[in-house]
Amino acid sequence: ETGVTQSPTHLIKTRGQQVTLRCSSQSGHNTVSWYQQALGQGPQFIFQYYREEENGRGNFPPRFSGLQFPNYSSELNVNALELDDSALYLCASSLTGRGANVLTFGAGSRLTVL
Amino acid sequence: DQQVKQNSPSLSVQEGRISILNCDYTNSMFDYFLWYKKYPAEGPTFLISISSIKDKNEDGRFTVFLNKSAKHLSLHIVPSQPGDSAVYFCAASRRGGNEKLTFGTGTRLTIIP
Repeated sequence: ETGVTQSPTHLIKTRGQQVTLRCSSQSGHNTVSWYQQALGQGPQFIFQYYREEENGRGNFPPRFSGLQFPNYSSELNVNALELDDSALYLCASSLTGRGANVLTFGAGSRLTVL
Repeated sequence: DQQVKQNSPSLSVQEGRISILNCDYTNSMFDYFLWYKKYPAEGPTFLISISSIKDKNEDGRFTVFLNKSAKHLSLHIVPSQPGDSAVYFCAASRRGGNEKLTFGTGTRLTIIP
């Protein structure tokens, strides 16, 4: 089975720009979650998508938005980038209904905002 | 507000000895706890979990202990091996809480050969 893949792996943007990060779920998984990991911190929950709809959101402003597609892949969009948005963005997939909160993570997209 | 805390940023242990990683939480609504391991340039990988109805869960060399009254859990690795060198994250969630995980800041474990 294929794992979670994310693209791009690294990117550099400037303040005020917009960015789109992409994620392909692990085969058989139907739920995608996004996390932000700042330097020296643990991952922080941004939001989750299930059946193409947002299914829970963390403490992030509306300029963080997402999409889930019928094939369960997902995008994270961030508008009006700020310096503090520099972080590793992790995508995780899971199979809702299995009970256990075990997420399978991708390797992440490292965003640097200058 | 740090609801899950890992107070030791780093830990060094001799190969073959026991590694003990600690985690504290403040939210009494948490009822499911997980440990993830992360190597550089890779995503976190699930290691072991425990439900709040248990106080111990074992999987090979890895054992997680949960003390609900103290809101404390620990991960024991016995015996420690060089491949165990990684960053370990403690995470907590609520069943039925759309699988949102709240993570600690991580502990970097180094196994000394």
